[in-house]
Amino acid sequence: AQSVTQLGSHVSVSEGALVLLRCNYSSSVPPYLFWYVQYPNQGLQLLLKYTSAATLVKGINGFEAEFKKSETSFHLTKPSAHMSDAAEYFCAVSYGGSQGNLIFGKGTKLSVKP
Amino acid sequence: NAGVTQTPKFQVLKTGQSMTLQCAQDMNHEYMSWYRQDPGMGLRLIHYSVGAGITDQGEVPNGYNVSRSTTEDFPLRLLSAAPSQTSVYFCASTTGGDRTQETQYFGPGTRLLVL
Repeated sequence: AQSVTQLGSHVSVSEGALVLLRCNYSSSVPPYLFWYVQYPNQGLQLLLKYTSAATLVKGINGFEAEFKKSETSFHLTKPSAHMSDAAEYFCAVSYGGSQGNLIFGKGTKLSVKP
Repeated sequence: NAGVTQTPKFQVLKTGQSMTLQCAQDMNHEYMSWYRQDPGMGLRLIHYSVGAGITDQGEVPNGYNVSRSTTEDFPLRLLSAAPSQTSVYFCASTTGGDRTQETQYFGPGTRLLVL
């Protein structure tokens, strides 16, 4: 069975500091992995996805994530946080034959302090 | 394109009432799905459809019905609402074809309160 664990339900960083949001997965087959962002009272927007091509994946808004099979991790990073990055972030893994069947982590709320 | 649209945006129901949450997409996507989002739980898949006339259950299907008579529409029905169904519901559609190129689009959500 596939699952996703996000470490830390709330992360707070200062503006300009490194953002690191942790995600570990469990999958019996090679996974497809995703990071989504949700701004208050909005739907989800895809930040980036891993589909077994490059292990370092670059996404929108300066975010990137590295797939590490040995650690079963797919952590999300951004070198310098902006106030506009404050949102909730979800890691997800797909199962079945399509990205449409996603298992989500419980989410990490990112706060950015001025 | 309007993308994925959901109606209503907000609804209050009494226990035992029924209602249908509407979802439509104009991108000709074959794959559509419904999720519910609860605080501290992330999103959980309720039902999904791989094309008109084909639906299947996700993680939390109990208390919900779906049908897919057209490619565009994928309504979610609550037959007898319960307070445990208070949640935010998201509809999504997914481009098909090569999995590496797939992209999932989410609607804006429907907030449902069951009293």
